Amino acid sequence: DAGITQSPRHKVTETGTPVTLRCHQTENHRYMYWYRQDPGHGLRLIHYSYGVKDTDKGEVSDGYSVSRSKTEDFLLTLESATSSQTSVYFCAISGGSSYNEQFFGPGTRLTVL
Amino acid sequence: AQKVTQAQTEISVVEKEDVTLDCVYETRDTTYYLFWYKQPPSGELVFLIRRNSFDEQNEISGRYSWNFQKSTSSFNFTITASQVVDSAVYFCALSSSGSARQLTFGSGTQLTVLP
Repeated sequence: DAGITQSPRHKVTETGTPVTLRCHQTENHRYMYWYRQDPGHGLRLIHYSYGVKDTDKGEVSDGYSVSRSKTEDFLLTLESATSSQTSVYFCAISGGSSYNEQFFGPGTRLTVL
Repeated sequence: AQKVTQAQTEISVVEKEDVTLDCVYETRDTTYYLFWYKQPPSGELVFLIRRNSFDEQNEISGRYSWNFQKSTSSFNFTITASQVVDSAVYFCALSSSGSARQLTFGSGTQLTVLP
């Protein structure tokens, strides 16, 4: 299994508070991604990174920011959480010889009250 | 723009039946990759298969087989002799070359295998 961890695994927060989710990999892969999963929508890309300090927006990036200061860590920040950001968040990595396929972390369930 | 359509939202079969999950994709790129992922009730996403656009050979892995047809832009997944442990949500996904390996997912098919 790819070495990907996410923290926290579960979080409940209140509307308007900042939230940071962390993704950590031990595979030294170049590409990292943040997705959200909602019923009826599958997984939708929020932001991705193609290297340290290199990031770009995905399909549903509004309200989210990311940072990648080290190869192994990719942070997702909700500056001011809203109830519409209640979701399951998955981190994924890609690189090395496994061209194009992505391997996913265990997910973080976030509830915004 | 890329798009993946999984028209079957839910499928229910009885154990040992064969079941096919449909996937139709749209892309303007000539080089692309198609994937299937499995999400069991425990919630993790498990990579099943990758197929590139230049390889239309069907693939079989145990009870799993995949039928890739460029002419109909489809990449269907068949489980033979289904088992209760096959119950999961299955996602089809598409990635084009040069897109930083971004995946576009379908909305998923919930497969329930009844004993």
